[in-house]
Amino acid sequence: NAGVTQTPKFRILKIGQSMTLQCAQDMNHNYMYWYRQDPGMGLKLIYYSVGAGITDKGEVPNGYNVSRSTTEDFPLRLELAAPSQTSVYFCASSYSTGASNQPQHFGDGTRLSIL
Amino acid sequence: AQKITQTQPGMFVQEKEAVTLDCTYDTSDPSYGLFWYKQPSSGEMIFLIYQGSYDQQNATEGRYSLNFQKARKSANLVISASQLGDSAMYFCAMRDDALYGGATNKLIFGTGTLLAVQP
Repeated sequence: NAGVTQTPKFRILKIGQSMTLQCAQDMNHNYMYWYRQDPGMGLKLIYYSVGAGITDKGEVPNGYNVSRSTTEDFPLRLELAAPSQTSVYFCASSYSTGASNQPQHFGDGTRLSIL
Repeated sequence: AQKITQTQPGMFVQEKEAVTLDCTYDTSDPSYGLFWYKQPSSGEMIFLIYQGSYDQQNATEGRYSLNFQKARKSANLVISASQLGDSAMYFCAMRDDALYGGATNKLIFGTGTLLAVQP
């Protein structure tokens, strides 16, 4: 019953450092997503992928990069961490069929602080 | 552009009473899906209920029901018989279903409503 697994759960970075947030799903979902949730706010889409080798920008992509070499994994990279990137990051996945009641399944989130 | 609006930042409800959480949306697409997620203090996102734009009946899932008024572009969540465990943040979200292909299943979220259930 793994679903969507995110690592790490918590991380503190210094300004200018880089890191990769890991996301893996075992539901054979084609579509995967990265969101960020700032305090007291809803989720905003950073990047998404509709399949291995295909990625696209969401609403707030600046400062991030992604890759999708396999169906299972969708890592998110921060190259030069900035205080504005302090947030909770959620990875999600879903089936590719639209117009259906299949929801996005979310990981438990990564709480990231940039100091 | 698509948009989700949740106008209630916070609400109180007495245990065992019903509560309605408001959600309005804006889209020019004829095909879309509406979702409600619950986020307890532990932080995870829990899917509650779904309503498709072409569904004729309001969705129900146990104590959750969705009051879907398409002409008003509203999709309010109704929780019946509130329990202490219902205290959480609730998010309304919309998905563009791109009826004729090209769907990405991206979700647009509202800012959420914090519900506190009082004993």
